[in-house]
Amino acid sequence: QITLKESGPTLVKPAQTLTLTCTFSGFSFTTGGVGVGWIRQPPGKALEWLALIYWNDDKRYSPSLKSRLTVTKDTSKNQVVLTMTNMDPVDTATYYCVYSRGLPDFWGQGTLVTVSS
Amino acid sequence: QSVLTQPPSASGTPGQRVTISCSGSSSNIGSNYVYWYQHLPGTAPKLLISRNNQRPSGVPDRFSGSKSGTSASLAISGLRSEDEADYYCAAWDDNLSGPIWVFGGGTKLTVL
Repeated sequence: QITLKESGPTLVKPAQTLTLTCTFSGFSFTTGGVGVGWIRQPPGKALEWLALIYWNDDKRYSPSLKSRLTVTKDTSKNQVVLTMTNMDPVDTATYYCVYSRGLPDFWGQGTLVTVSS
Repeated sequence: QSVLTQPPSASGTPGQRVTISCSGSSSNIGSNYVYWYQHLPGTAPKLLISRNNQRPSGVPDRFSGSKSGTSASLAISGLRSEDEADYYCAAWDDNLSGPIWVFGGGTKLTVL
């Protein structure tokens, strides 16, 4: 059974850097074709893809946010970490990590991050 | 503004059949698979349809997907109250900067 769980701060101040961790189980990140991605959803708005990292460390980023995002993996810990710099109130959203072998197959429960001073 | 276009709302009565559309372009739906997700508030989104029309294990056959050209549709037959949720389509987009995931704006389904 594949599970993913996001963890990190619930409140960050403007201009700070957000670091979120996705801890997963039920699959091996050494399997070809496997990816873990990040998606967010601002309150009342649509889903927005942020980043994706593959089993071979290939990384993809949303073109509009690429300069602010970094995604890394720690295969030994079954974790993927997303960092987003220069946070702004418009970045307030629920952040999801997902398992993918194409597009998202399984989603974490999500974590709400509020950006406010 | 989402890359894929969905109607913001849809509705139906129990037992009815409803369809939700998803419109894109040649760089996404026109050349890649479409996926559909069901999202109940406070829960993790759930994959309903993969690769245009494939149902993952456990998804009732009341849910079906189709694609034609640059548009796709999700059909729900025998509508039930528990189907009331937000539905999203998604696809790869062959962006000039490299392939990216794109989503629809979501359709809120109300069961009357």
